[in-house]
Amino acid sequence: SAVISQKPSRDICQRGTSLTIQCQVDSQVTMMFWYRQQPGQSLTLIATANQGSEATYESGFVIDKFPISRPNLTFSTLTVSNMSPEDSSIYLCSVLLQGARLEQYFGPGTRLTVT
Amino acid sequence: LAKTTQPISMDSYEGQEVNITCSHNNIATNDYITWYQQFPSQGPRFIIQGYKTKVTNEVASLFIPADRKSSTLSLPRVSLSDTAVYYCLVGDEGNTPLVFGKGTRLSVIA
Repeated sequence: SAVISQKPSRDICQRGTSLTIQCQVDSQVTMMFWYRQQPGQSLTLIATANQGSEATYESGFVIDKFPISRPNLTFSTLTVSNMSPEDSSIYLCSVLLQGARLEQYFGPGTRLTVT
Repeated sequence: LAKTTQPISMDSYEGQEVNITCSHNNIATNDYITWYQQFPSQGPRFIIQGYKTKVTNEVASLFIPADRKSSTLSLPRVSLSDTAVYYCLVGDEGNTPLVFGKGTRLSVIA
């Protein structure tokens, strides 16, 4: 298993500003992902955070808006840039352990409100 | 990942057994069936996985018929704390992130 922590747990931000969310895992993992979950909705995959290279973004998400860093195998950050109220959501970090089939572990999430 | 269909919501009284069925008509030979549970204000958590017949753990049972085109998650004697969204996923992608459907919102009533 894996224990994942996220910082901050929640924040209220003004439009036009940026917020960086941190994700820390208690063990080295190869696969790390970022999801977004809007109120009452299912999870949407934003990107795969690749260690030592650029993140792989899903359709509808771009690096300029959601820059991601992955400096090592236990840590990643997601920045939500130039925020608007539509970015209000819960952002979740997730990891997949080596050899695990469809078994991902999720962080507690960061609840972002943009005013 | 194969497409899945499950009810949007279900209600149950405390103490009852709850069965949530998921349809996955296009399941492939190598695919496994996996269920996740998400409580309010938390990330999803893995609860059970199976390939065929029946799997049971401390949280739930998973029933898979011979044709594997559907599966049923069974929660015995639910309590208020089982109120959550339950997601059914099907696939065999070892290094691919999960793609979540809409899930089933279970509400347990006292």
